[in-house]
Amino acid sequence: DVKVTQSSRYLVKRTGEKVFLECVQDMDHENMFWYRQDPGLGLRLIYFSYDVKMKEKGDIPEGYSVSREKKERFSLILESASTNQTSMYLCASMINTEAFFGQGTRLTVV
Amino acid sequence: AQRVTQPEKLLSVFKGAPVELKCNYSYSGSPELFWYVQYSRQRLQLLLRHISRESIKGFTADLNKGETSFHLKKPFAQEEDSAMYYCALSGGSNYKLTFGKGTLLTVNP
Repeated sequence: DVKVTQSSRYLVKRTGEKVFLECVQDMDHENMFWYRQDPGLGLRLIYFSYDVKMKEKGDIPEGYSVSREKKERFSLILESASTNQTSMYLCASMINTEAFFGQGTRLTVV
Repeated sequence: AQRVTQPEKLLSVFKGAPVELKCNYSYSGSPELFWYVQYSRQRLQLLLRHISRESIKGFTADLNKGETSFHLKKPFAQEEDSAMYYCALSGGSNYKLTFGKGTLLTVNP
């Protein structure tokens, strides 16, 4: 079974903090993705990576950055958290065009 | 640019009734289309993809390139089909995966 693991289920951070969301996959997949999921807005792609150290902006990259130093780990960074970044964050890895999702991190910025 | 449109946010049917969840897409090349499903308190997971041309849990979807649509259909809905359904498109050499806004399907007893 493919495992995609996000480091936290719930996070509460203060406005202005630097926030790291970690995602690890155990199947040597090349493609990894970060989405945010909001009611009525579906899944919106923040960033994705198709190889180590390679990244591309998704549809809503503003306020976020990513890091992929190793194939199995893809990190999402909120440089200075704001209340409008309160959301459910989903990580996924892909093999043969099938995406496998983590359990999600519900981030609340206060 | 690639875009996926799901026009219905909510869809409610009775058990045994047919169900169709609509999906339209915009993409200049040859896309791969998918349906993903999220049951209550579970992870998002792949339901089916157009290249497989298979039926999963009684659901089918046909890619219509002329109408740029990929509607999901099931002839007889079951209560356990109640879930959030997302249509998705993968395109480009880097396999960018884009989702629609989702349709919440409720199957009533």
